[in-house]
Amino acid sequence: DSGVTQTPKHLITATGQRVTLRCSPRSGDLSVYWYQQSLDQGLQFLIQYYNGEERAKGNILERFSAQQFPDLHSELNLSSLELGDSALYFCASSPGQGADEQFFGPGTRLTVL
Amino acid sequence: SQQGEEDPQALSIQEGENATMNCSYKTSINNLQWYRQNSGRGLVHLILIRSNEREKHSGRLRVTLDTSKKSSSLLITASRAADTASYFCATRRDENTGFQKLVFGTGTRLLVSP
Repeated sequence: DSGVTQTPKHLITATGQRVTLRCSPRSGDLSVYWYQQSLDQGLQFLIQYYNGEERAKGNILERFSAQQFPDLHSELNLSSLELGDSALYFCASSPGQGADEQFFGPGTRLTVL
Repeated sequence: SQQGEEDPQALSIQEGENATMNCSYKTSINNLQWYRQNSGRGLVHLILIRSNEREKHSGRLRVTLDTSKKSSSLLITASRAADTASYFCATRRDENTGFQKLVFGTGTRLLVSP
């Protein structure tokens, strides 16, 4: 158990809908990272927050947005969902801004029908 | 896009045998890390090797790094059925914005049969 929690575990929804994925980092970790893992694209970095501020963006679509709250939990919002958004979404955390070791949550499996 | 390419894509061995996985990358790095992922679960950090190191050990794991060839290998000795998982290399690149980006490879699926 990494100490990172993600909810929900599974999410099934229809195209065009909007969903919110939630992540709680390990106690004391200030950075939260979001990743998308799909069969054709592999593990792709989406976005990083550090202590409530957006720190870096990766391959995140404009339909997707995220935020980190004062209690350091983070939410990833996916809107206007398409079939191709079906994937595993992972949250990871680390103590600082560095990328020397990230602790991954169990993931949320999103299925868009 | 991914920086790391792993080879082989899949590897099937018997318990007790050694498993070797390779990772190649394209740009200069600060460090290289290996992660394990059990089917459909989150990744678990295994080991980190810095760019000025050539070899590192952790239990049954041995990692080598050749920065001149931009490649790394992960050796798992005396494999067990519980080692069955996907293994990913991840390279840390420090961007001029100060962001330390971790870029994951494509992964090697290891199957260890009893």
